Amino acid sequence: DAMVIQNPRYQVTQFGKPVTLSCSQTLNHNVMYWYQQKSSQAPKLLFHYYDKDFNNEADTPDNFQSRRPNTSFCFLDIRSPGLGDAAMYLCATSSRTGASYNEQFFGPGTRLTVL
Amino acid sequence: AQKVTQAQTEISVVEKEDVTLDCVYETRDTTYYLFWYKQPPSGELVFLIRRNSFDEQNEISGRYSWNFQKSTSSFNFTITASQVVDSAVYFCALSELNSGNTPLVFGKGTRLSVIA
Repeated sequence: DAMVIQNPRYQVTQFGKPVTLSCSQTLNHNVMYWYQQKSSQAPKLLFHYYDKDFNNEADTPDNFQSRRPNTSFCFLDIRSPGLGDAAMYLCATSSRTGASYNEQFFGPGTRLTVL
Repeated sequence: AQKVTQAQTEISVVEKEDVTLDCVYETRDTTYYLFWYKQPPSGELVFLIRRNSFDEQNEISGRYSWNFQKSTSSFNFTITASQVVDSAVYFCALSELNSGNTPLVFGKGTRLSVIA
């Protein structure tokens, strides 16, 4: 089945220790997204890639970086995690036609704990 | 600017009751998509429906139905004969086609609890 896969499902890191979350997709979608979702809140878009074109949201902290080496994979790097970065991180994909973003398909998420 | 409002933070119903989740949106774009997603306790966001702004036909899929009214900028979601498995957080979302700046804007979600 075509899907969005996130690894690991649970990640524990220490305050200030860099961490990388990964996402892969078999949908061959040209857009990949990273969202941060804190408890009882809506997902918040951090950035997205349209093919290799990186689009950062204005309020995404510099502490968050992303890489997309190919169509299938996208990584979220948190350079120096703080306690406030503990959250669920959701990866999503969609196709895009012109300026139109189609429905997004989400992975199961990675729950990050910062000690 | 685009905005999605889900005024109901939490709803509790008894199994087999019908329940409607409200969604009101704001946009200056004439062409847009509206979505509903379900987030069960496992955490994954599950796509339920996409509606184009030019298509105001209501849609029914099993126990789910959606009522889109441009006149009131609403896109409400009704679950008929609710079941315990419907317990989840439901998000309404909006995507403007012409601005292209923000792919998807979510409402704050409505937590639905269906009690057996």
